Amino acid sequence: QVQLVESGGGVVQPGRSLRLSCAASGFTFSNYAMHWVRQAPGKGLEWVAVISYDGNTKYYADSVKGRFTMSRDNSRNTLYLQMNNLRGEDTAVYYCARETFIAAVLTGLDFWGQGTLVTVSS
Amino acid sequence: AIQMTQSPSSLSASVGDRVTITCRASQGIRNHLGWYQQKPGKAPKLLIYAASSLQSGVPSRFSGSGSGTDFTLTISSLQPEDFATYYCLQDDNYPRTFGQGTKVEIK
Repeated sequence: QVQLVESGGGVVQPGRSLRLSCAASGFTFSNYAMHWVRQAPGKGLEWVAVISYDGNTKYYADSVKGRFTMSRDNSRNTLYLQMNNLRGEDTAVYYCARETFIAAVLTGLDFWGQGTLVTVSS
Repeated sequence: AIQMTQSPSSLSASVGDRVTITCRASQGIRNHLGWYQQKPGKAPKLLIYAASSLQSGVPSRFSGSGSGTDFTLTISSLQPEDFATYYCLQDDNYPRTFGQGTKVEIK
């Protein structure tokens, strides 16, 4: 069965860095674009970034552009989010999610991990 | 960036009620919209994709409609397990944007 398992969250001081990982299993990871979505405590969902199936194309939310870098290792079935120069407003649960196309139709973010909490605080 | 305006932000309803949630895009997004359900402490779950297609395994009481700028999620007969927060997400272009969410509570 499809599984996405995030790790790497924790408490970090403002201005420091953290790298999140998302381990995928149960599907051919290298065939799918992947996303990061976050949710600050008590707030709504915020889209963060996407990476194409081959890692060659990436897009970021304006709020993280220049500070966060998304990457993937298809040989390890793992997705990454390198977060630099962290701010208090980056405090959130970070989810990875798989995006599916069927017959050239985008069919949404159909599988999500359980999330990992990042707390930016001094 | 495309703004997604979701309404209402919350609603109270009873089991068996018909519930409608709307999402309006700041510009046309064709049918490139999904609806997600989130329960407290859990990851979001895909309900509807391409505005009106039901995700596999999702009960048929959920339906979606709309195209262009105006979209609707309807729950035909609210069940106890449907009390949750619902979000729309446009996937027409980047950056992707979510609506602010609609919390469906028990009356």
